[in-house]
Amino acid sequence: KAGVTQTPRYLIKTRGQQVTLSCSPISGHRSVSWYQQTPGQGLQFLFEYFSETQRNKGNFPGRFSGRQFSNSRSEMNVSTLELGDSALYLCASRPQTGIVNTEAFFGQGTRLTVV
Amino acid sequence: AQSVAQPEDQVNVAEGNPLTVKCTYSVSGNPYLFWYVQYPNRGLQFLLKYITGDNLVKGSYGFEAEFNKSQTSFHLKKPSALVSDSALYFCAVRSTNTGNQFYFGTGTSLTVIP
Repeated sequence: KAGVTQTPRYLIKTRGQQVTLSCSPISGHRSVSWYQQTPGQGLQFLFEYFSETQRNKGNFPGRFSGRQFSNSRSEMNVSTLELGDSALYLCASRPQTGIVNTEAFFGQGTRLTVV
Repeated sequence: AQSVAQPEDQVNVAEGNPLTVKCTYSVSGNPYLFWYVQYPNRGLQFLLKYITGDNLVKGSYGFEAEFNKSQTSFHLKKPSALVSDSALYFCAVRSTNTGNQFYFGTGTSLTVIP
């Protein structure tokens, strides 16, 4: 069974640009969450999507947005990039939402560098 | 507020010795606790979880963790460390009150010295 696939693996963008990251969850998984990982802040929750609807949102500015498609693939978008947005962005999939005792399966992440 | 603390940024242990990576948590509602490991330039890999029942949980690669409700701790342990265990370890919590969001600790870098 294929794992969680994130593309691209690496990105370099300029301040002010926008970027779109993609995540394909494990087949049959319908919940996709996004996390930002930085050395200073650790792992911070961005948002979760299930059945094409945002179910939960972390404390990030509106420049961070996402969506989910009918095949459960998800994208996140960051507009007007800032240097502080440089991070590893991780996607996690689970079969369902609302079941708190299930583990999540993470992709390898997209390393975004803003210059 | 929900939080997870990993008090040690770095843990060094000799190969063959037992290892412990510490985690304490603060969460409202019933806690569900998880350990993940991250190798360089990789995502997080699930190691083990505590849901309910036996306080000693066994997971992948010989790791185990002990849930202590009174001390609100969930320390990760392994009886005999391997050099290949060197990685970044994250403790995470979710609860019936936090919904689907994981709260992660800041991570502990484990180095096993040959």
